[in-house]
Amino acid sequence: DIQMTQSPSSLSASVGDRVTITCRASQAITKYLAWFQQKPGRAPTSLIYAASTLQSGVPSRFSGSGSGTDFILTISSLRPEDFATYYCQQYANYPFTFGGGTKVEIK
Amino acid sequence: QITLEESGPTLVKPTQTITLTCAFSGFSLTTTGVGVGWIRQPPGKALEWLALIFWNDDKRYSPSLKRRLTITKDTSKAQVVLTMTNMDPVETATYYCGHYRVVGADRFNYYYYMDVWGKGTTVTVSS
Repeated sequence: DIQMTQSPSSLSASVGDRVTITCRASQAITKYLAWFQQKPGRAPTSLIYAASTLQSGVPSRFSGSGSGTDFILTISSLRPEDFATYYCQQYANYPFTFGGGTKVEIK
Repeated sequence: QITLEESGPTLVKPTQTITLTCAFSGFSLTTTGVGVGWIRQPPGKALEWLALIFWNDDKRYSPSLKRRLTITKDTSKAQVVLTMTNMDPVETATYYCGHYRVVGADRFNYYYYMDVWGKGTTVTVSS
């Protein structure tokens, strides 16, 4: 199985801050990486696929980059509704695997 | 608009078998390039991918759970069913189903991404 490692596991930030979350795959996955957002008590929602393509309806302050083994999720200017846990997931190989999550908390 | 809704038992005893149903609308599982899959999340923990069934009835399973999982589809009812045998208390979790679509291809594979999630159903395994 491909191991996905996210960092940091949690971070504190203020509204308006630029936030970056990294995700590393244990082997190359080209661009077959997705990002998901999960708010407390809610199901995850899809943000980004193919490493950098925004899911329809996702605000443009979210962006993704990377290829191969190293990927980044960036929130350009944090809004109150962005405080949540973020997961990366590879879909290059079966079984699909998730990172451990990054919790974005209010500073 | 694509929607999915999970249902199943809320409480099961250890060693029992659970059957989870994902009822969907807004798409057909006979359409090329479409799939429905299952993911679970224990309380306070990360997401775990379980299984996926495709429009052509091809299936993929988590290798660690493959012996215990069966995924099937009923296109006439617009449902996907996941059966998991020999449940253990550590498998107490919220189980999600989701819609998959093809978002990439190369000469080896088509690549599927989960773009729509159901709200989840909580299963507690306890005696």
